[in-house]
Amino acid sequence: EVQLVESGGGLVQPGRSLKLSCAASGFTFSNYGMAWVCQAPTKGLEWVASISTGGGNTYYRDSVKGRFTISRDNAKNTLYLQMDSLRSEDTATYYCARLGRGYYFDYWGQGVMVTVSS
Amino acid sequence: NIVLTQSPATLSVTPGESVSLSCRASQSISTSIHWYQQKSNESPRLLIKYASQSISGIPSRFSGSGSGTDFTLSINRVESEDFSIYYCQQSYSSLYTFGSGTKLEIK
Repeated sequence: EVQLVESGGGLVQPGRSLKLSCAASGFTFSNYGMAWVCQAPTKGLEWVASISTGGGNTYYRDSVKGRFTISRDNAKNTLYLQMDSLRSEDTATYYCARLGRGYYFDYWGQGVMVTVSS
Repeated sequence: NIVLTQSPATLSVTPGESVSLSCRASQSISTSIHWYQQKSNESPRLLIKYASQSISGIPSRFSGSGSGTDFTLSINRVESEDFSIYYCQQSYSSLYTFGSGTKLEIK
């Protein structure tokens, strides 16, 4: 059974940093691209960043480029999102998602809440 | 960036009715559109990939169609468990985008 379990969320002050983790199990992690998708309270889904199987290719939405870094450790079956220079508008639930054979999100984690507030 | 416009924002229906939800892309994206369902306080679930391809475990009452810029998610005879929010997502560009969602509610 595919499982994606996020951790690392919480309350953080504007301008500070936070690192999210996503532990994957139930599939060969190194064979799949991965992504982070966020959802602000009462809002819709927004793609945040994606990473290729080996980590050599990364993509970001404009609003987080230069502030967030997506990475992965295939030996540990773990996906990461380093979030720097956090802003109040980054407040959201962050989902880890697997990119299926193609470019759709076929499995999702339960989500982790990030609140940026002073 | 490719913008996806979903309509209507809210759709009020009676269980047993059949419905169609629309997703329009700002440029032609072939069939690179995928549909998700999100129930309240749950993670999204993939319903349809590449406009019309079915997903294992998803009820057959869900179907998709379209190509180019206009796409449709159809639900044949809506059931009570189907009342939730539906999103489309494009993968034509590596900078993925989602539509703003259509909320399906009970009339």
